[in-house]
Amino acid sequence: AQSVTQPDIHITVSEGASLELRCNYSYGATPYLFWYVQSPGQGLQLLLKYFSGDTLVQGIKGFEAEFKRSQSSFNLRKPSVHWSDAAEYFCAVGYSGNTPLVFGKGTRLSVIA
Amino acid sequence: DGGITQSPKYLFRKEGQNVTLSCEQNLNHDAMYWYRQDPGQGLRLIYYSQIVNDFQKGDIAEGYSVSREKKESFPLTVTSAQKNPTAFYLCASSYGQTQETQYFGPGTRLLVL
Repeated sequence: AQSVTQPDIHITVSEGASLELRCNYSYGATPYLFWYVQSPGQGLQLLLKYFSGDTLVQGIKGFEAEFKRSQSSFNLRKPSVHWSDAAEYFCAVGYSGNTPLVFGKGTRLSVIA
Repeated sequence: DGGITQSPKYLFRKEGQNVTLSCEQNLNHDAMYWYRQDPGQGLRLIYYSQIVNDFQKGDIAEGYSVSREKKESFPLTVTSAQKNPTAFYLCASSYGQTQETQYFGPGTRLLVL
């Protein structure tokens, strides 16, 4: 079965520090890859997505992610975190064949001064 | 503006009562989804629909029912058979096939009295 692993349940970073959130997926075929962000009590907002082409993807709010097929990973990065980035982040994976996206359990990001 | 609306924002259910959560989209998307979100468990798929008058069970369909009579609408009924309905419910939609980008509504929080 397809699965997505976000190994870190909770991460705390200082404002201005760099950030990397990890995401690994289980299936070998070329996936569709997504990162979403969720503020408390709200819906999910798409940060970025990868379907094909350049493996380094730029998204909104200064985020980027890199697809590494050899590692089955799609890690999210930001060079300098702002207090407003505190939220929960979800990685999701999809495959052709009309099966819905599979979501990871999320990583909660806290930002300290 | 195009988007997904969910109502109500908060919903209270009494024991033995069925309640219906509304989800409407004006994005002209073909597919729609319902997720349940509990703390620490990420998003769990309840039902999804790829076309009008057709829908499929997700991972946790027991105690829930849906209908898809119009392309724009995908209401979710939480029945009395769902013994632990307290959760945050998210509706999403996507254009075309189910591995495409999903766009989310703001969510409905269901509480049991």
